[in-house]
Amino acid sequence: AQSVTQPDIHITVSEGASLELRCNYSYGATPYLFWYVQSPGQGLQLLLKYFSGDTLVQGIKGFEAEFKRSQSSFNLRKPSVHWSDAAEYFCAVVGKISSGSARQLTFGSGTQLTVLP
Amino acid sequence: DAMVIQNPRYQVTQFGKPVTLSCSQTLNHNVMYWYQQKSSQAPKLLFHYYDKDFNNEADTPDNFQSRRPNTSFCFLDIRSPGLGDAAMYLCATSRAKGRETQYFGPGTRLLVL
Repeated sequence: AQSVTQPDIHITVSEGASLELRCNYSYGATPYLFWYVQSPGQGLQLLLKYFSGDTLVQGIKGFEAEFKRSQSSFNLRKPSVHWSDAAEYFCAVVGKISSGSARQLTFGSGTQLTVLP
Repeated sequence: DAMVIQNPRYQVTQFGKPVTLSCSQTLNHNVMYWYQQKSSQAPKLLFHYYDKDFNNEADTPDNFQSRRPNTSFCFLDIRSPGLGDAAMYLCATSRAKGRETQYFGPGTRLLVL
C-alpha cells in the first residue's frame, strides 16, 4: 500500500525567505505525486504534480518540486515566500486501487506554514 | 470557469437529524469523490462514483450514503449525524479512472449540535 510522510507538522519562515517542505512517499511502482495547498476554511488547490519526465516540476504561485526516486522524496520549494503563502500544504500520491475502479489519492498529514512579517 | 461547487459552505444540524450536502461540477468529469477532513488532519476518502458505479471505502460508516443522479451532481447524506461527524466535507472530481488529477471544491463545514 502507498503512504506519504510529511515530517514537519509546522514550519515558520519570514516573508522573503526561501522555503522547503519535505515529503517522502512509499510506493512500489512509479508514483504520481501531487502538492495541494489549503487556506483556512477552504478546499484544496492543486499547486503542481509529477507524472513522469523532467523531475523538476513547476507549479502555480512560484512553487516548484523535485522528484528524487533514490530518496523517495518530492520536496516543495519556493525561493521567496509571501505572506499570502501561509496555509496548510499536503503532499499526496496516487497508488493502487483500494476499491472499485478509481485509484485512491493518499495524503500526508500536512505541514502548516506560518509566515512572519 | 469550470469548477467544483459545494453547497452550503457551512451547515449546522442537530444530533441525529439527517443532513444532505451537495456537490456540483461543470468539468464534465466522470469520477466524483467525497472526503471527510477533521481538524488538523488529512482528508479521508469516504466513497467515490465512477460514472454511476458507486464505490464505498471499507471503513466508511453506514451512516454515510451518497447519490449521484446525473454527471454533474453528487450528494452526501448523513442519516443520523453524531458529534464525531463534525468536520469539513470535501468533494472532488477527476476526468477518468486511473492516475488522474483530482480537483477539489471549497468544502462544506458541518457542525453538529
